[in-house]
Amino acid sequence: AQTVTQSQPEMSVQEAETVTLSCTYDTSENNYYLFWYKQPPSRQMILVIRQEAYKQQNATENRFSVNFQKAAKSFSLKISDSQLGDTAMYFCAFGSNNAGNMLTFGGGTRLMVKP
Amino acid sequence: NAGVTQTPKFRVLKTGQSMTLLCAQDMNHEYMYWYRQDPGMGLRLIHYSVGEGTTAKGEVPDGYNVSRLKKQNFLLGLESAAPSQTSVYFCATAAQYRDIREAFFGQGTRLTVV
Repeated sequence: AQTVTQSQPEMSVQEAETVTLSCTYDTSENNYYLFWYKQPPSRQMILVIRQEAYKQQNATENRFSVNFQKAAKSFSLKISDSQLGDTAMYFCAFGSNNAGNMLTFGGGTRLMVKP
Repeated sequence: NAGVTQTPKFRVLKTGQSMTLLCAQDMNHEYMYWYRQDPGMGLRLIHYSVGEGTTAKGEVPDGYNVSRLKKQNFLLGLESAAPSQTSVYFCATAAQYRDIREAFFGQGTRLTVV
């Protein structure tokens, strides 16, 4: 079974600054997917960024990028030029490549962007 | 395009009552999931389905039953609600044949058992 750990329950950052959210995972699989989901107060789960484990290049999506360290089983999210709308819960998730493709989530990090 | 729709959005139950949560999708996805979200614990998988007529247990299945009689619907049932089942419930879907197996979520159901 996989486990996902987010060691930062809460974080804050000033608007326009950069913040990094940490995530580590444990698995015996070699092919898998990693995701960061954002959950604003509306409760909707929104996909922020995704990474295939077989790709060495780190994924980027506009202001969001990841630092994927497969050997260390680490998958951190960097948010550049933080905006007030980035205030939300952020969940790291592991996606199994096995039948069912279910996701295993970390406990979440609550991010507050301050004006 | 509705995507993934959950019904109801909010519900208050008394201990011992029963209810069914409905998840409907128009994305033609094979896989469907029910998660519950509790503070500090992220989302945990209750049950899932890999296709019409199939269901399987997830991490926290006790106290819940599911059915998937039609491909587009996945029902979550609570036969005798307990306060420990107070939570936010999310339905999600995923495509079987995609390079990236991302999940698409409904808007969640907040359930309170008193």
